[in-house]
Amino acid sequence: ETGVTQTPRHLVMGMTNKKSLKCEQHLGHNAMYWYKQSAKKPLELMFVYNFKEQTENNSVPSRFSPECPNSSHLFLHLHTLQPEDSALYLCASSQDPLDSGEQFFGPGTRLTVL
Amino acid sequence: AQRVTQPEKLLSVFKGAPVELKCNYSYSGSPELFWYVQYSRQRLQLLLRHISRESIKGFTADLNKGETSFHLKKPFAQEEDSAMYYCALGGGGNKLTFGTGTQLKVEL
Repeated sequence: ETGVTQTPRHLVMGMTNKKSLKCEQHLGHNAMYWYKQSAKKPLELMFVYNFKEQTENNSVPSRFSPECPNSSHLFLHLHTLQPEDSALYLCASSQDPLDSGEQFFGPGTRLTVL
Repeated sequence: AQRVTQPEKLLSVFKGAPVELKCNYSYSGSPELFWYVQYSRQRLQLLLRHISRESIKGFTADLNKGETSFHLKKPFAQEEDSAMYYCALGGGGNKLTFGTGTQLKVEL
């Protein structure tokens, strides 16, 4: 599959569960991003990874833990989440970490925390 | 701090009418502005960016630094233009700040 893929597409979890979101990009890009999209709020940047190194943590609670094992894969590990964390989580990638050029988005994971 | 304001949550126009989606930004540096679009059941994708100065699908946007605006315009709306439109601001690296989005509905 080409582009940016995300799995799972839908996830329902309890507050005590531990789960992970996966993102993979097949574009040869060097930067990857996690965004949170909640109803009636702007798309919120959570984390930025440039050349596998985390360069941005936008004051995200520690119950969200990102991991970037290589430039093609990005994970978001979730534990002890709250109901207000229910949202659409989008992954994106871009070619040049030094430039706010075009970002390519995945389809998102719809997360529901019970 | 960077901020993007899209004042309209919903804009409804008739087919063939002109469209203007408003975007204002706040940024102390040299801004880069983008419009992203999300069609129904599709992923978010770039529509255009100010430095390219292109017309994409009939849409144009001009950066007005005096008014700190980057409004998206199209002279004649088409039904397939119905979508969610997001204005985004970049500056200093690869971080983007998005607005809350405007839902454009083109009615027949």
